[in-house]
Amino acid sequence: EDKVVQSPLSLVVHEGDTVTLNCSYEVTNFRSLLWYKQEKKAPTFLFMLTSSGIEKKSGRLSSILDKKELSSILNITATQTGDSAIYLCAVELTGGGNKLTFGTGTQLKVEL
Amino acid sequence: DAGVIQSPRHEVTEMGQEVTLRCKPISGHNSLFWYRQTMMRGLELLIYFNNNVPIDDSGMPEDRFSAKMPNASFSTLKIQPSEPRDSAVYFCASSSDRINQPQHFGDGTRLSIL
Repeated sequence: EDKVVQSPLSLVVHEGDTVTLNCSYEVTNFRSLLWYKQEKKAPTFLFMLTSSGIEKKSGRLSSILDKKELSSILNITATQTGDSAIYLCAVELTGGGNKLTFGTGTQLKVEL
Repeated sequence: DAGVIQSPRHEVTEMGQEVTLRCKPISGHNSLFWYRQTMMRGLELLIYFNNNVPIDDSGMPEDRFSAKMPNASFSTLKIQPSEPRDSAVYFCASSSDRINQPQHFGDGTRLSIL
């Protein structure tokens, strides 16, 4: 059975800290790995990673995929209270028609 | 551009009643997905459509759940009869089926079955 595991389950940090969120997967026929941020409503798309070792960056957020280790990390530098959210990792399989398997998420809380 | 639009935003009803959730995907997207999110199980795929045709409904929990996509701009998820354990947030998402195109989510319907 395809599985996506995220760690930690939850995390509390202070503004300005750097955080690293982890995602590991055990799937057949991997195509891509996606990161989403979920605040109060819809998950919003952050990154899609298909190639190992190539960092994707958007402002203070960055992510990288390691296909050998079957994992990905999401880094957030200089955290702000607005980064508080659930961060979801999902894996897309080939032949799956864009179907995603999600991890249970990491709940991040950034305090002043 | 308008995103994925879901209605209603909230639904509270008594067990045994029929519930219909609605979704309008992003124009031009030809894949549509229905998810359910709970604290215990996270975000689970229920069913997805490609070009209005159901492709995989293996996530639909039981026969009480059904989904339709009569045209490219509208889909429904129906629960009949509803039960308290169906209480959850139901999300609809859409994407283009071109390679490397992410899914975009609606704001969800928060469903409470009393």
